[in-house]
Amino acid sequence: DAGVIQSPRHEVTEMGQEVTLRCKPISGHNSLFWYRQTMMRGLELLIYFNNNVPIDDSGMPEDRFSAKMPNASFSTLKIQPSEPRDSAVYFCASSLGRATVSNQPQHFGDGTRLSIL
Amino acid sequence: DQQVKQNSPSLSVQEGRISILNCDYTNSMFDYFLWYKKYPAEGPTFLISISSIKDKNEDGRFTVFLNKSAKHLSLHIVPSQPGDSAVYFCAASEEANFGNEKLTFGTGTRLTIIP
Repeated sequence: DAGVIQSPRHEVTEMGQEVTLRCKPISGHNSLFWYRQTMMRGLELLIYFNNNVPIDDSGMPEDRFSAKMPNASFSTLKIQPSEPRDSAVYFCASSLGRATVSNQPQHFGDGTRLSIL
Repeated sequence: DQQVKQNSPSLSVQEGRISILNCDYTNSMFDYFLWYKKYPAEGPTFLISISSIKDKNEDGRFTVFLNKSAKHLSLHIVPSQPGDSAVYFCAASEEANFGNEKLTFGTGTRLTIIP
């Protein structure tokens, strides 16, 4: 079975540029999560969707960050304009969703390593 | 404000011995806890979980213990194997809060198994 697929795996861009990260969740999963991993703060939840609807975006750092889920098989996380402090590994995860089955673990993609110069 | 804390950034253990990874939490609303394992350049993978109605859950070489009064949980790996070398993340959620699927993660502990 295909897992969560993220692209690109690596992104290097200059400060001020727009960055778009992409995620394809596991087929049939109803919930999708975006995380950011840094050395200081570990894994932080940025935003999550259930049935394509944003449920909690309290972790989104500021207005430069936006996320969309236009359909059940695709989501994007966009940073515009990007800044050096946005450099981190960004993970996407999906799950069946609590409404389907309780205690469902989240399944993670392999992440996008983002470097803003 | 870290609601889930893993105070040991790293741990080294001899192969065959027991590895004990610790995790503390501050939010009394957390009622479901998970451990994830992460290899370099890969995403975290689910390892084991425990509900607050239990104090122990076992899966093969992995056992998680929960002490609700102390707001502390630990992951025991026995015997430790070289393939267990990875970063381990503790995570917590409010499972009883049906509408909130948020997982709160700790900062991770890097476990190195010495052959």
